[in-house]
Amino acid sequence: RKEVEQDPGPFNVPEGATVAFNCTYSNSASQSFFWYRQDCRKEPKLLMSVYSSGNEDGRFTAQLNRASQYISLLIRDSKLSDSATYLCVVNIGIVDKLIFGTGTRLQVFP
Amino acid sequence: DADVTQTPRNRITKTGKRIMLECSQTKGHDRMYWYRQDPGLGLRLIYYSFDVKDINKGEISDGYSVSRQAQAKFSLSLESAIPNQTALYFCATSDPKTGGPDDTQYFGPGTRLTVL
Repeated sequence: RKEVEQDPGPFNVPEGATVAFNCTYSNSASQSFFWYRQDCRKEPKLLMSVYSSGNEDGRFTAQLNRASQYISLLIRDSKLSDSATYLCVVNIGIVDKLIFGTGTRLQVFP
Repeated sequence: DADVTQTPRNRITKTGKRIMLECSQTKGHDRMYWYRQDPGLGLRLIYYSFDVKDINKGEISDGYSVSRQAQAKFSLSLESAIPNQTALYFCATSDPKTGGPDDTQYFGPGTRLTVL
């Protein structure tokens, strides 16, 4: 089993749609969770950290379910500029050792 | 100006050649990392360094070596390049003192390496 698993997509959605991505992780000792965004051939950039209580940043909401070991990202009112690959990232219980999922590709169309 | 820079941005080389990829950062972070990214495999950690005197192997260090010349500089070398080292290479930095979640990493723009 992969340490971090994501549906690769692509998710093709119209502008204004709501879309959700899930990610599962295998190491129950993981303490830190993130969503990164990566545009084609560019570097990953931190989108948001994921906290146990859930957190929201504008149109983006992240949730963590420790019991089931999954993380979700909800994007509301999708914009064309949201088209990118979204990487689920988890630490493996060792400080600063992050494991990256292979990413979920989102394509927003007009 | 970018906080994390990588040189070169693109490189084509031949099998057996020695290649060095360089990373510099102005973020003042102690911790630096080298990753490679291949289609369908995600980012994989090659080496990491928590300070100038600290070097650690990641999950795929074979065929690579690193040098931490200063807090701001971390170089990755391919001693004898082979075609399956063709990939996109990223440098990253982090620093738990910044106040954000401890593990947040900040990436350079990447180096696209092709080994023929």
